[in-house]
This record gives sequence, structure tokens and C-alpha cells, in this order.
Amino acid sequence: DTGVSQDPRHKITKRGQNVTFRCDPISEHNRLYWYRQTLGQGPEFLTYFQNEAQLEKSRLLSDRFSAERPKGSFSTLEIQRTEQGDSAMYLCASSWGDGRASEQFFGPGTRLTVL
Amino acid sequence: GENVEQHPSTLSVQEGDSAVIKCTYSDSASNYFPWYKQELGKGPQLIIDIRSNVGEKKDQRIAVTLNKTAKHFSLHITETQPEDSAVYFCAASITSGSRLTFGEGTQLTVNP
Repeated sequence: DTGVSQDPRHKITKRGQNVTFRCDPISEHNRLYWYRQTLGQGPEFLTYFQNEAQLEKSRLLSDRFSAERPKGSFSTLEIQRTEQGDSAMYLCASSWGDGRASEQFFGPGTRLTVL
Repeated sequence: GENVEQHPSTLSVQEGDSAVIKCTYSDSASNYFPWYKQELGKGPQLIIDIRSNVGEKKDQRIAVTLNKTAKHFSLHITETQPEDSAVYFCAASITSGSRLTFGEGTQLTVNP
């Protein structure tokens, strides 16, 4: 399969715990994006990388959230001290550069439930 | 920042009819407008996109129109089929590689 993959697909945690999600982009893609989607809403941008550099981070993103892409391939998104309001679907997308063929392709998402 | 509004929030049509979903955006710097289809439990799937240098684009039963002056764009699906039933999202961004701002989605139901 050559699409974007995410792991785990589902995560249930207790409030206050830390969680980490992984995203593997399409292999030739150099840009990787994280979005969050709550029920009944469109995806909301969190951050994105070009290779290993984090180019943009949403001002709405709490300091409890951190993302890395250390070797310019897979990425991890960590949420520290989870809150019930963090419950959402976390989506990863990837694209190639910023040219005409740089459409963003999404993975299946990780659904987080904070109890 | 960019704000995208999408209407209607729900749309029910009979199989074979056409469906139209409309979006407006606020940032005149936006130049890229994709449409995504999301089925239950899955990530959004790109179905068609349009860039600001064209006014219309068509791919089989799907077409998108863009009016940059009025800052609105629309998705048209003709000859709808039950498998078209899903949530559709419009989005806008400055370039295709930059952050996407999504609308709130339209739940399309195609009745057999």
C-alpha cells in the first residue's frame, strides 16, 4: 500500500496521560501535515513540515502538543497531560513540495478518546 | 486568517438527480480550492480541485466552478449514485502545499 498510514487507529486514554501518534507519509512526499477533526466539523490545521523542518504551527495549538519529523520521513504527534477536549480524530496528510502537483493526501486518522 | 463557509449542511437527493454544494471564502490571497469526500471512519479523499487561474474544471460527473471576484466556489455532481453518499468538504489555501482551511462539511445522501 502506498498511501498515508497512521498508527494507532484508535486510542483511549485517561485524562492527564500522555499519548503519541505516528504518521508515515507517501514515500516520495516531502511535506507532512497534521490536522484535527472533531465530530461534525471540518479538519482544522495544526502544523506542517517540509522534510524535517517544522514550517508552520497553528496559533491555536496548545503548548501541550508537540510534533516532530526527525529524519524527514515519518512524524510523531505527542499530546501531554491530555484533557477531555483533546478527544478528536487526528489526521495526517502528505504532499510533494508546493508546485502544481502538490495536492494533500490524507491518511485514515487516529481517533483519540480521553476519558 | 482565512474563513470558509459551506452550504448546505445536509443535502438529500434522488438517485440520478444533480447535487450542488456552495462555499465562500474570505482571504483574497487564496488561490487553491480542493474538494474532499469523507466516508464514515475514513480520512478525507481528494475528488477534485481548482486553481485561481481557471474558472471551471470537470472530471466525469463532477465539476467545480470558481468566481474569484465574488470569492465563492461550487461543487456540482451530476447523475448522482448511492455511492456518492458521504460528507463533502470544501477547502481553501494560498497554495496547494500550504495549510488548508476547511468548510464545515455537507452530508450528502443519495436515495435509491
